[in-house]
Amino acid sequence: GAGVSQSPSNKVTEKGKDVELRCDPISGHTALYWYRQRLGQGLEFLIYFQGNSAPDKSGLPSDRFSAERTGESVSTLTIQRTQQEDSAVYLCASRPGLAGGSSYNEQFFGPGTRLTVL
Amino acid sequence: GDSVTQMEGPVTLSEEAFLTINCTYTATGYPSLFWYVQYPGEGLQLLLKATKADDKGSNKGFEATYRKETTSFHLEKGSVQVSDSAVYFCALSVNTGGFKTIFGAGTRLFVKA
Repeated sequence: GAGVSQSPSNKVTEKGKDVELRCDPISGHTALYWYRQRLGQGLEFLIYFQGNSAPDKSGLPSDRFSAERTGESVSTLTIQRTQQEDSAVYLCASRPGLAGGSSYNEQFFGPGTRLTVL
Repeated sequence: GDSVTQMEGPVTLSEEAFLTINCTYTATGYPSLFWYVQYPGEGLQLLLKATKADDKGSNKGFEATYRKETTSFHLEKGSVQVSDSAVYFCALSVNTGGFKTIFGAGTRLFVKA
């Protein structure tokens, strides 16, 4: 089946504008994660959705960042009033949960959205 | 809090050399351990994993053994190829009511022909 998809693949925006990034997880995956990866650096956890539970927002760097998920499907990450330091690749991953058998705790990553704030 | 520490890169090796990338962790619970790989221009993908002490994960000639006594999960390969050039991420996942995954900073590997 299809993997995790993200859109857009690239986004260039001006400082101060709002952007919305989309993630379509693998169908049936109960958990969804957003990460930020700055150039040449590791993954920075942003937010985690698990089923109908309240999301873990502990990684969001400021109140300019927010994310939503509709049930166990698509998620959007919104960055308001973008700043140059927001420039990074934003990665989404989904995880199957207990129905995934031995893969229950494995994350499947999308290709990322490269955000450039001018 | 939970954390993962892996050796800094870049690591540069000649083809057919032996590879070790060190990874140690701290965790409050009993984590599952992972190595993910990011090839140039591609997304992250799982390379191998281990879910309990003394388990050995293996894939594509890479191996890592879950060592609870030393809290380590070092990645090894006996003979690297140019196509192994990538960034390697060590990670842990602990069930604390959910599976939040903590990633290391990544180690870039360059393999020269």
